[in-house]
Amino acid sequence: AQKVTQAQTEISVVEKEDVTLDCVYETRDTTYYLFWYKQPPSGELVFLIRRNSFDEQNEISGRYSWNFQKSTSSFNFTITASQVVDSAVYFCALKYSGAGSYQLTFGKGTKLSVIP
Amino acid sequence: DAGVTQSPTHLIKTRGQHVTLRCSPISGHKSVSWYQQVLGQGPQFIFQYYEKEERGRGNFPDRFSARQFPNYSSELNVNALLLGDSALYLCASSATGVSMVGNQPQHFGDGTRLSIL
Repeated sequence: AQKVTQAQTEISVVEKEDVTLDCVYETRDTTYYLFWYKQPPSGELVFLIRRNSFDEQNEISGRYSWNFQKSTSSFNFTITASQVVDSAVYFCALKYSGAGSYQLTFGKGTKLSVIP
Repeated sequence: DAGVTQSPTHLIKTRGQHVTLRCSPISGHKSVSWYQQVLGQGPQFIFQYYEKEERGRGNFPDRFSARQFPNYSSELNVNALLLGDSALYLCASSATGVSMVGNQPQHFGDGTRLSIL
């Protein structure tokens, strides 16, 4: 069984602060994919980043960066210099690579509020 | 290019009725998935279709059904509606190769907000 845990329910930061969103996952598969999605109040889930289980290199993309650690089953997401427009619910999701399987298993989300 | 489009945006039904939700994937995407998102929770997987065949089903009762058409658009049908079916229903499409390896990100529509009275 797959499971994604986002322990932080809500986070508030002041604009320009850095913020890290935590994600811990459980899976028995050796090959899998991890995603972060952003859901603004409008409801649409916006794809942010993807990481393959066999690539532990951490990267930075603009103000976004992520820290994938297979040893601790964590896939944390950091926003640097936060902005008010970053206010949204952020979901971590897991998908295993089995042929024919496309379902994403989502965490419960972390609501981020960036205060001006 | 248009993203994933869903209709209707909002819908109000009463218990026992049935509902049909529609989804058009991104042009060129052949895979469509449906998710149910109850308020305050993450989306839950309902169905996945690829090339008009069901490829995956989540833990939902038989009241939920779906289909995919030759143009890759999809419908989600829910019969005998219950109060607990009130949720945001999200459709997602992805570009999927013949290998069926699932590393392609899913792109979501704005959803249909279904309210059951």
